[in-house]
Amino acid sequence: DQQVKQNSPSLSVQEGRISILNCDYTNSMFDYFLWYKKYPAEGPTFLISISSIKDKNEDGRFTVFLNKSAKHLSLHIVPSQPGDSAVYFCAASAPSGTYKYIFGTGTRLKVLA
Amino acid sequence: DAGVIQSPRHEVTEMGQEVTLRCKPISGHNSLFWYRQTMMRGLELLIYFNNNVPIDDSGMPEDRFSAKMPNASFSTLKIQPSEPRDSAVYFCASSWDYREQFFGPGTRLTVL
Repeated sequence: DQQVKQNSPSLSVQEGRISILNCDYTNSMFDYFLWYKKYPAEGPTFLISISSIKDKNEDGRFTVFLNKSAKHLSLHIVPSQPGDSAVYFCAASAPSGTYKYIFGTGTRLKVLA
Repeated sequence: DAGVIQSPRHEVTEMGQEVTLRCKPISGHNSLFWYRQTMMRGLELLIYFNNNVPIDDSGMPEDRFSAKMPNASFSTLKIQPSEPRDSAVYFCASSWDYREQFFGPGTRLTVL
């Protein structure tokens, strides 16, 4: 049973436009959410995170939005650049002290020049 | 810092053989995680250690899989015997504050 779901396996966006990647979760105990970016033949790298006490966190071109009532988070990239083409994973962790991350299956973003 | 180091980067083996994957975490980190990436299930946590002690191995698929962390700078993931369905990319990650995990480049395992 997937507790963290990324229902769009792929997304194509024109350079300069906004990319919106979505993630849904089922466990209301999750209190911290992260986005990781992964290039081919490399490990995932941390991109941005958000605590459940916030509904928005921004870092340069990247903004993560959290809607707790809908159990939904999204990553906005504005403007999108060809170098943003990668697989994006969302992850969630629970306050159980285990510090486990539950990852989604990823969304492959392609930014077209 | 060199980051998380994994070896080998690629491993091709035949069904039934023993496979050992290695990981060196970032110096000073006290938590280490082993993940498996597949197309169908994405990134799955197999096991993680805190201060060299296994905390949660509920993600280990079966008894053929085992992991050790004999000291703070080294961990192994062993599969014995290996099967074709074990073919995947295996990642090791480490962290200090538990909030941001740093991943290694992964080991691509192919079991024929």
